Amino acid sequence: GENVEQHPSTLSVQEGDSAVIKCTYSDSASNYFPWYKQELGKRPQLIIDIRSNVGEKKDQRIAVTLNKTAKHFSLHITETQPEDSAVYFCAGVYSGGSNYKLTFGKGTLLTVNP
Amino acid sequence: NAGVTQTPKFQVLKTGQSMTLQCAQDMNHNSMYWYRQDPGMGLRLIYYSASEGTTDKGEVPNGYNVSRLNKREFSLRLESAAPSQTSVYFCASSALPSQGNQPQHFGDGTRLSIL
Repeated sequence: GENVEQHPSTLSVQEGDSAVIKCTYSDSASNYFPWYKQELGKRPQLIIDIRSNVGEKKDQRIAVTLNKTAKHFSLHITETQPEDSAVYFCAGVYSGGSNYKLTFGKGTLLTVNP
Repeated sequence: NAGVTQTPKFQVLKTGQSMTLQCAQDMNHNSMYWYRQDPGMGLRLIYYSASEGTTDKGEVPNGYNVSRLNKREFSLRLESAAPSQTSVYFCASSALPSQGNQPQHFGDGTRLSIL
C-alpha cells in the first residue's frame, strides 16, 4: 500500500517569512494529493489539492508543487501570518479503482511567531 | 447544510464497556471513513465504506466494528473498550472516485477516554 512521509515534524518561522513542508510517497500509481490544515481542537480542513497531471497549483498565499518522477510534493506558504499556525497534513491516494483510501503523513506543526 | 456530524463530542468509558460512535453526512456522498488520531501518529484509517452496503478494513481495525446503516450514516462500535483506544475519532466522507478525485470532508471529532 501507499506510504507517505512528511518533513519536518515541527517548523517555526517568523511572521512574513515563507514555510515549506515536504512529503514523499511510495506508490507511483497515486494520482491525487490533498493538503489539510488542522487547528488545535478542530477538524482537518482541506486547504489545497493537486492532481497528478498538474505540476503546480496556487491559491493566494499557498501553493503546492508535485514532482511525479521523484515522487514528492510540497506545500509552500508565503508571507506567513500567526493564523497560519496549525498542524498541516499531506496525503496521497490512488483513486482509479473502486476504493479511495487516503494515506496521511504524520503531520507538521507550524508555528508562526509574531 | 451541516456536512459531517459526529456524536457524541466527548465520552469517558471504563475498560470493558462498549459504545457506538455515530456519524452522519448530508452531502449525498457515497464513501465514508473512520479515522483515529493520536499524538505524533497522524490520521490512521480504521474502517471505510466505499459505497452503501460495503465496508472494508483500514490500517488499524482491531477492536472495532462498523455498520453502514444507509447512505447517510456510518457508525463505529467498540465492543470492549481498552485504554489503548483512547484517542480522537474522526469520521469523513467523500464522493465516489469515479466522479473524479474528491477530497474528504471531516466531522468535528469524538474525544474518547478509556480509564
